[in-house]
Amino acid sequence: EVQLVESGGALVKPGGSLRLSCEVLGLSFSDAWMTWVRQAPGEGLEWVGRSIPERGGGATDYAAPVKGRFTISRDYSRNMFYLQMNSLKIEDTAVYFCSWIDKTPSNLASWGPGTQVTVSS
Amino acid sequence: QSVLTQPPSVSAAPGQRVTISCSGSSSNIGNNYVSWYHQLPGTAPKLLMYENTKRPSGIPDRFSGSKSGTSATLGITGLQTGDEADYYCGTWDSTLSVYVFGTGTKVAVL
Repeated sequence: EVQLVESGGALVKPGGSLRLSCEVLGLSFSDAWMTWVRQAPGEGLEWVGRSIPERGGGATDYAAPVKGRFTISRDYSRNMFYLQMNSLKIEDTAVYFCSWIDKTPSNLASWGPGTQVTVSS
Repeated sequence: QSVLTQPPSVSAAPGQRVTISCSGSSSNIGNNYVSWYHQLPGTAPKLLMYENTKRPSGIPDRFSGSKSGTSATLGITGLQTGDEADYYCGTWDSTLSVYVFGTGTKVAVL
């Protein structure tokens, strides 16, 4: 069974930084396509970015609102998936979910419970 | 801003059928598989349908999916109170190189 567990969410001031982590269990992480999705309070789902494993080319893609501020990375030795968030804005306040992409780029097959990020002065 | 358009809400009595539409374009739905997710309040989304018509293990056959051109549809038959949730479509956009979600639809059981 695939298990994803996010951590690292916190209250941070505008302009600050935060790193979210996602522990990935129950699948071959070295072959796993992974993604981050967020959900602002009372709003819908918003894709943040994705990571293709090194074996598949190693590319990362980002949504326009976070490009240049957020960085996705992974530690293959620890099965950990990360989201480094810099220059945080109030509008980055959201619950952040990590998700595993299975079979096709459209299929977010498994999700973690999420971690809350609040950006406020 | 969501690229895929869904109705804000649909409702029906228990046992009835509802459908949720998801409208996109040739760069997303038109050329990629569509997935559907449902989300109960305060919980993570859960995959409900993938590759347009396939149900993950554990999803009952009361749920069905279809796709035609640049639109997709999720159907729920035999509506139950436990189906009350938010439903989102999603797919990859090949032109924008981003994943796009629908605007979301709240299903209410009357």
